[in-house]
Amino acid sequence: TQLLEQSPQFLSIQEGENLTVYCNSSSVFSSLQWYRQEPGEGPVLLVTVVTGGEVKKLKRLTFQFGDARKDSSLHITAAQPGDTGLYLCAGGRGGSNYKLTFGKGTLLTVNP
Amino acid sequence: DAGITQSPRHKVTETGTPVTLRCHQTENHRYMYWYRQDPGHGLRLIHYSYGVKDTDKGEVSDGYSVSRSKTEDFLLTLESATSSQTSVYFCAIRTDLNTEAFFGQGTRLTVV
Repeated sequence: TQLLEQSPQFLSIQEGENLTVYCNSSSVFSSLQWYRQEPGEGPVLLVTVVTGGEVKKLKRLTFQFGDARKDSSLHITAAQPGDTGLYLCAGGRGGSNYKLTFGKGTLLTVNP
Repeated sequence: DAGITQSPRHKVTETGTPVTLRCHQTENHRYMYWYRQDPGHGLRLIHYSYGVKDTDKGEVSDGYSVSRSKTEDFLLTLESATSSQTSVYFCAIRTDLNTEAFFGQGTRLTVV
């Protein structure tokens, strides 16, 4: 059973479109992180959210942590081909916060 | 680049043989993790460590063992390799809770 459920699993869009990907759980998290991974490489951190309701922006990317700290979303405005990659959410919770677990990821393809 | 090195980068081994993968860090980070990545499954946690000689199981630990006798090294052993353990293995390190996890380049293991 995957603790963190990501949707959609695959997303193919045209350059300039907007998109949102989701990371959901029935459990409360101390923090949630979003990573981006390119083929042949390890994931690289995009953002960490720790406070319920928190919104963080990174250029065209907007991240939100749910009020109950059980879910998060990543919104990309005016997607570009360089945004193509695998987007992974990761979280730690409770007394085993150091146990960093990942969702299955959303594979995004942005076509020129 | 974070000082984290995985070795070997590629390995082909036969079913039933033991295999050890090494993760070496020069950052003195407390937490170290081993993940495997397979299509459709994202990153799944195998084992993790929260200090020297302090390790615990992740979600897919069967058939794997780990050791951490020094801060800088975290070894993953496949006791008797099986074809289902063919995968890409990633090591990650992080200094503290809620901080960025830095990943190695990955080890592609093929069990034939």
